[in-house]
Amino acid sequence: AQTVTQSQPEMSVQEAETVTLSCTYDTSESDYYLFWYKQPPSRQMILVIRQEAYKQQNATENRFSVNFQKAAKSFSLKISDSQLGDAAMYFCAYGGFIIQGAQKLVFGQGTRLTINP
Amino acid sequence: DAGVIQSPRHEVTEMGQEVTLRCKPISGHDYLFWYRQTMMRGLELLIYFNNNVPIDDSGMPEDRFSAKMPNASFSTLKIQPSEPRDSAVYFCASSPPGQAFGKTGELFFGEGSRLTVL
Repeated sequence: AQTVTQSQPEMSVQEAETVTLSCTYDTSESDYYLFWYKQPPSRQMILVIRQEAYKQQNATENRFSVNFQKAAKSFSLKISDSQLGDAAMYFCAYGGFIIQGAQKLVFGQGTRLTINP
Repeated sequence: DAGVIQSPRHEVTEMGQEVTLRCKPISGHDYLFWYRQTMMRGLELLIYFNNNVPIDDSGMPEDRFSAKMPNASFSTLKIQPSEPRDSAVYFCASSPPGQAFGKTGELFFGEGSRLTVL
């Protein structure tokens, strides 16, 4: 079974600086998807960024980018120019590459990110 | 377009009472998921539906839990009787039909229902 591990329960960063959240996963599959979801105090889970395992290029969404190391099974999230609104729980998630059926995501335990003004 | 809508947002009940959580998925989404979030176990998938049909309920903790989806715009998760260990945040999520080859897997979550069983 696939597992996702986030080794940093909490992180903090000064506003406007850069922070990197770590995630490792375990799978025997070769094709899959990886995700970072953000959960602000409002509780709603929001997709931040997505990476397809067959793509070598790291995904980027504005201030958010990932460092995807397939061989090492590592998927870290970098937040540049941190803003107060980035404060939230961040969850790393794994999804298998499927053609039929639903995408059953496996989530890590989360990292709570605090932004210091 | 409205997102996934869940109700109630908070529920406090006493042990032994029946609890019903409700979810309205995004229109046009054919998959609906129920997740439970606790500090100890994180996010766990309980059950998911496709086109209103339950496909995989292997995550449902026990017979006290049941879920239904009578139509494409409504689903319920029921706990009867409730126990203190059921206290958690319950999320509903939906996803659209997959792409022509493979599925991207993005889930659209509601704001969750926080359940406290005393």
